[in-house]
Amino acid sequence: SAVISQKPSRDICQRGTSLTIQCQVDSQVTMMFWYRQQPGQSLTLIATANQGSEATYESGFVIDKFPISRPNLTFSTLTVSNMSPEDSSIYLCSVEGTTSGRTDTQYFGPGTRLTVL
Amino acid sequence: DAKTTQPPSMDCAEGRAANLPCNHSTISGNEYVYWYRQIHSQGPQYIIHGLKNNETNEMASLIITEDRKSSTLILPHATLRDTAVYYCIVRVATGNQFYFGTGTSLTVIP
Repeated sequence: SAVISQKPSRDICQRGTSLTIQCQVDSQVTMMFWYRQQPGQSLTLIATANQGSEATYESGFVIDKFPISRPNLTFSTLTVSNMSPEDSSIYLCSVEGTTSGRTDTQYFGPGTRLTVL
Repeated sequence: DAKTTQPPSMDCAEGRAANLPCNHSTISGNEYVYWYRQIHSQGPQYIIHGLKNNETNEMASLIITEDRKSSTLILPHATLRDTAVYYCIVRVATGNQFYFGTGTSLTVIP
């Protein structure tokens, strides 16, 4: 399967600041997604990162708060802007359509654990 | 996408088979049943998926009922490392997002 890395693995941030999370894949993929997992909760999709165009956001998530970039087929970033303690979560990148694994399923990165004070 | 229902928690003795049920009574004809697991807040790990036939791989077996309204994930010889939250998800084959429910927290007991 695809090897997915995320940076940073964890961070502690002050409220009002922003953090950019990077997702790097070892092979080209068709689709990339960003999820959030709040403490004790299941995963919630934030958006689909589209290569060369604006991301597609799920209900309840907006571009001003979670800007996403996807400059090529192996890399994406998610920024959590103007953070508050409610943004404390694990943020996960996932990919689909990789040539190094099944093309009909998603593979997940290790996640970025964010704590906002 | 169709919804799924899973028991919130289960225990299994080490070395025994773990049978995790999932109900998906509103599944559509073109939707697959996927299983993932998440170990201690790591990224979810793909286990197996199927459409209507039973499937087996090196990790598990997936049994889907003939009417496709329910399925069972079978871990044939559970180990302590299988302790995790297991998610059952239904989705069309490609390109759509996965909607994660609350899953089943499986605890393998020594």
